[in-house]
Amino acid sequence: GENVEQHPSTLSVQEGDSAVIKCTYSDSASNYFPWYKQELGKRPQLIIDIRSNVGEKKDQRIAVTLNKTAKHFSLHITETQPEDSAVYFCAASMTGGSYIPTFGRGTSLIVHP
Amino acid sequence: EAGVAQSPRYKIIEKRQSVAFWCNPISGHATLYWYQQILGQGPKLLIQFQNNGVVDDSQLPKDRFSAERLKGVDSTLKIQPAKLEDSAVYLCASSLARTGGAPGANVLTFGAGSRLTVL
Repeated sequence: GENVEQHPSTLSVQEGDSAVIKCTYSDSASNYFPWYKQELGKRPQLIIDIRSNVGEKKDQRIAVTLNKTAKHFSLHITETQPEDSAVYFCAASMTGGSYIPTFGRGTSLIVHP
Repeated sequence: EAGVAQSPRYKIIEKRQSVAFWCNPISGHATLYWYQQILGQGPKLLIQFQNNGVVDDSQLPKDRFSAERLKGVDSTLKIQPAKLEDSAVYLCASSLARTGGAPGANVLTFGAGSRLTVL
């Protein structure tokens, strides 16, 4: 089955800095890569996703890049704000068959004001 | 649009007791997932339903966990007997479709979760 590794487990930045979270996956058949944000005590919510037919996707201050050859994808947050503080999870899955997202272990992002 | 409803939000039991969690997915969502999230870890899939059929339950500890999705809508997850290591948040999620296709079809919407503490 799919295995997703996520790094770092904790990331501490100053407000206004950029933050990068990296994930690798094992199954080359995976073609859909969502990112979820989970604030303390709340449910995970989708913030951005990317499919394997594109290399980069942006949505305001967040962007995701995908390198299919190396089987890794990254989340980039620019101009971080305190409200970005949360746990971020990457996931990988294959949309063509049994769609079962496999999640990484999560990255706790702390943005200091 | 109503979200994914789960209950109870919190449950404290002693080991060897039983517990049941309930989930009502978003209306029209064919696929329903139960995930276990242990503190400090990512969600781990326990079982996936497509309508009222099981798609994947390979990681469900079947000696103590069971789940059903009657009529392809609501679902219940039961643990009997509970162990200390079952302490976790049990997240229910739903999505429109199992297979790929239209954008958004595979987006998971999670419920608020049911936090289980086993003493």
